[in-house]
Parts: sequence; structure tokens; C-alpha cells
Amino acid sequence: AQTVTQSQPEMSVQEAETVTLSCTYDTSENNYYLFWYKQPPSRQMILVIRQEAYKQQNATENRFSVNFQKAAKSFSLKISDSQLGDTAMYFCAFTAYNTDKLIFGTGTRLQVFP
Amino acid sequence: EPEVTQTPSHQVTQMGQEVILRCVPISNHLYFYWYRQILGQKVEFLVSFYNNEISEKSEIFDDQFSVERPDGSNFTLKIRSTKLEDSAMYFCASSEASGGVETQYFGPGTRLLVL
Repeated sequence: AQTVTQSQPEMSVQEAETVTLSCTYDTSENNYYLFWYKQPPSRQMILVIRQEAYKQQNATENRFSVNFQKAAKSFSLKISDSQLGDTAMYFCAFTAYNTDKLIFGTGTRLQVFP
Repeated sequence: EPEVTQTPSHQVTQMGQEVILRCVPISNHLYFYWYRQILGQKVEFLVSFYNNEISEKSEIFDDQFSVERPDGSNFTLKIRSTKLEDSAMYFCASSEASGGVETQYFGPGTRLLVL
């Protein structure tokens, strides 16, 4: 069975600083996708970034980047130049190529301080 | 930007009652999903739906649950006889394709409280 683990229940960072959120996963699949979703206090979960397992290059989206280590089954999210609007719950998620379902971690609550 | 919408935002019901949660997926999406999040726990997959059929479901999705696309825009989750443990946030999602090839877009959720 696939699992996703986020070992940091809460993190905090000062505005303009960099923070890294950790995620590890377990799977026997070779083709899969990994995601980071953000859930602000307003509740709507929105996609931050995605990574295809077959791609060696780490995905980046503006201030957000990932460190994807396939052998170690690690998928961390780095937020650079943190902004107050980054305050949210962040979920790491996994899906195998041949399935519909997303498997989520327990989330990391990130607080950005001025 | 197109969004998934859900109604109602909050629902309170008595144990044993039927509830219907409604979702309007993004209009050109073909795959629809329901997830739930019990307070303080993980977001869990319930069911996926494509071409008017369930394509995948979890162990949670038992006979008390059903899904339907009654018209061209709505996607509903029905809980026939609610239990206390059904209290959770229910999220609808949609995507253009399945299997992670296309991103799933989530609605804001319906908070269900069963008393």
C-alpha cells in the first residue's frame, strides 16, 4: 500500500525567509505523480506544484520548488522569499499512474510571521 | 479562472437522515471525485466517477454512499443514513483526465455535522 508521511505538523518562518517542508512516501510503483497542495484558512485546496516521477529535473513554480529524490522516496517543498499569504496548511500527495485516487499526508501547518 | 463549487458550505443533520452534497465541477472536466477529511485527520479518497460510472472507490465508500451526475453540470454525493462518524469535511474535485496525468482541482468543501 502507498503511504505519504509529513513529519512536521507545524512550521513557522519569517517573511522573506526560506522554508522547506518535508514529505516522504512509500510505493512499489515506478510511474507516479507527486503534488503539493495548499489549503489556506479559507479552505479551498489549491495545487502548488506537481512532479512526474519519470522526470529527473525538479519542478519549480516561481518561489516554489521541490527536491525530488526518487531513490530516497523524498519530495520536499521549498518556499523562497516567504510571504504572509503563504500561511496555510500544506499537503503532500501521491497518485500512481494507473489509479484515480490521491493519497495525502497529514499536512504541515505553515505560519509566516511579519 | 474556472473553479469547482460546492453547496452547501455547512450541513447539520440528525443521525439516520439522508444528506445530499452537491458539486459543480469545472465545465470541461470529465473525471469527478469525492474526498473527505475527518477533523484532525488525513484527506481520504472516497470515489472517482467517469462516464456516468464509478471508476474507483475506497473501502470507506460502502452501500450507504452513492454518487450521481443528475444533469450536465452537477455531481452529487448521497449518504443514505448518516452516522456520527460521517461528520467530516467533504471535498469534491474534478480533472480533465485520470491517473494523475491531469491535476485534480478541489472545491471549497462542505462541512457535515451529524448529531
